[in-house]
Amino acid sequence: KAGVTQTPRYLIKTRGQQVTLSCSPISGHRSVSWYQQTPGQGLQFLFEYFSETQRNKGNFPGRFSGRQFSNSRSEMNVSTLELGDSALYLCASMTGGTPGNTIYFGEGSWLTVV
Amino acid sequence: GESVGLHLPTLSVQEGDNSIINCAYSNSASDYFIWYKQESGKGPQFIIDIRSNMDKRQGQRVTVLLNKTVKHLSLQIAATQPGDSAVYFCAEIGAGGGNKLTFGTGTQLKVEL
Repeated sequence: KAGVTQTPRYLIKTRGQQVTLSCSPISGHRSVSWYQQTPGQGLQFLFEYFSETQRNKGNFPGRFSGRQFSNSRSEMNVSTLELGDSALYLCASMTGGTPGNTIYFGEGSWLTVV
Repeated sequence: GESVGLHLPTLSVQEGDNSIINCAYSNSASDYFIWYKQESGKGPQFIIDIRSNMDKRQGQRVTVLLNKTVKHLSLQIAATQPGDSAVYFCAEIGAGGGNKLTFGTGTQLKVEL
C-alpha cells in the first residue's frame, strides 16, 4: 500500500510569505504528526493530530499551525516566513491513538526561505 | 526537560563488521523507543522498536537493547553492509505523550569497503 505522501517536495519562498504543506497518511492511519528537521536543531516535534483534533503541540511559535481533515489528510501552515524556517518538514502517520504502533514518515517537504 | 542524546556523532566500520550505535535518554517515564535510519534526502525509515517492559528485541540483522537502569538504548547491526550507511536516530515516546517522538541528535554510520 502507498506510504506517507507529502507535497510539495521542494519549494522556495520569500521572507514574510506564508506556506502550506500537505500530507496524506497511509490509508487507515488516523494519527498524523509533523516535525521540523534542521542541521542545528535536529528533528523537532511540531504537532500531532488524531481524528481531526490537535492532541499534542511542540514548542513552536503561533506562526506554525496545522489541521487535519475528515479523511485524515493534514496540512501545516507557516505564516510570515523567516529565514530560520528553512528546513525539511516531515509528516508521520500512525494507525491509532496509542503508542506502540509503528510510526511511518514521508519523504518530507524541503522549504527554503530567501 | 526531556532529552534523548547520542554518544557518538560519527561511527566508521568495516564492511562485514558489527556496528553498535548508542543512545542515552533522560526521561525515565519513556514507554516506547524506536530506531530510525535516514538516508540523504529521504525521510526517516523505521528499523526496530522496543517497549519499556522489554530488554531486547531482534529483527533482521538488527538488535535493540534497552537498559532502563542506566537509561541507555543501543542498536546493533550485524554484518554491516554499504547500504547501512546513513544517519541513525533513536526516538522515544513518553508515557501519556500521545505520538510525540523526541529524537536524539543522530549518529552518522559510515561503512568502509
